[in-house]
Amino acid sequence: NAGVTQTPKFRVLKTGQSMTLLCAQDMNHEYMYWYRQDPGMGLRLIHYSVGEGTTAKGEVPDGYNVSRLKKQNFLLGLESAAPSQTSVYFCASSYGTGGVYEQYFGPGTRLTVT
Amino acid sequence: KNQVEQSPQSLIILEGKNCTLQCNYTVSPFSNLRWYKQDTGRGPVSLTIMTFSENTKSNGRYTATLDADTKQSSLHITASQLSDSASYICVVRYSPGGTSYGKLTFGQGTILTVHP
Repeated sequence: NAGVTQTPKFRVLKTGQSMTLLCAQDMNHEYMYWYRQDPGMGLRLIHYSVGEGTTAKGEVPDGYNVSRLKKQNFLLGLESAAPSQTSVYFCASSYGTGGVYEQYFGPGTRLTVT
Repeated sequence: KNQVEQSPQSLIILEGKNCTLQCNYTVSPFSNLRWYKQDTGRGPVSLTIMTFSENTKSNGRYTATLDADTKQSSLHITASQLSDSASYICVVRYSPGGTSYGKLTFGQGTILTVHP
C-alpha cells in the first residue's frame, strides 16, 4: 500500500509556463483534495473532489484547474504560472468527508515560479 | 470568521522533557478537532481526532485535550524524543448546514525542536 503519492517532488517554472501535478491514491477513497502550504500560514484548500468525474472549488481556486477522470487520480493544473503560486502543494484523500474520516496526505510537491 | 490560532509559534525543549502546545479556535458549528504531526519535507500525519463529546484522547506519548465550551485544545507530549521534532498542526472541522463537505480549517502550526 503506497497510500497517497505525488509527482513530481520538486519543480521550477518560469512565469507563464504551465504544468500538471499528479496525485494518486490506492486506498479506494472517494474524496480527494489539493492544498497549498505557505510559510506562516495554515494549509489552504484549492480544489476538492467528492468522487470520480466531480470537482469543486475550495478557498483559493483562482489560477488552478483540476480533473478527476479516474477514482484513484486527481490532477492539479496551472495554466499560466505566477510567482504567487510558489508554494508546497499537498494532495490528500479520505474515505468520507463527514464525521471523523481521516485525511491522508501525500509527501508534497515543492513548486517555485521565477 | 473561522480561525484556528496556535501557540507558541515555536518551542525548543530538551530530550526527555514534557511540553504542551495550545490551540484556540473560533470555528462554528464545530464538528471535530484534529492534531497532525508534520515532519520537515513530509505531509501531515494524523495524531488524534476528537469530537465534541471527547475531552481527552491519547496516542502513545501524545495526549490531546478539548474544551468545547472555551474552544481550546492542547497537545501534551510526554518524555520527548528527538523524533518528536516536527510541526504540530491543529485542525478544526466544521459542518455548515446544507453542504456535503465539512471544511477543515488549519492552524499555522507550532514548530517543536527537541535537543539532545
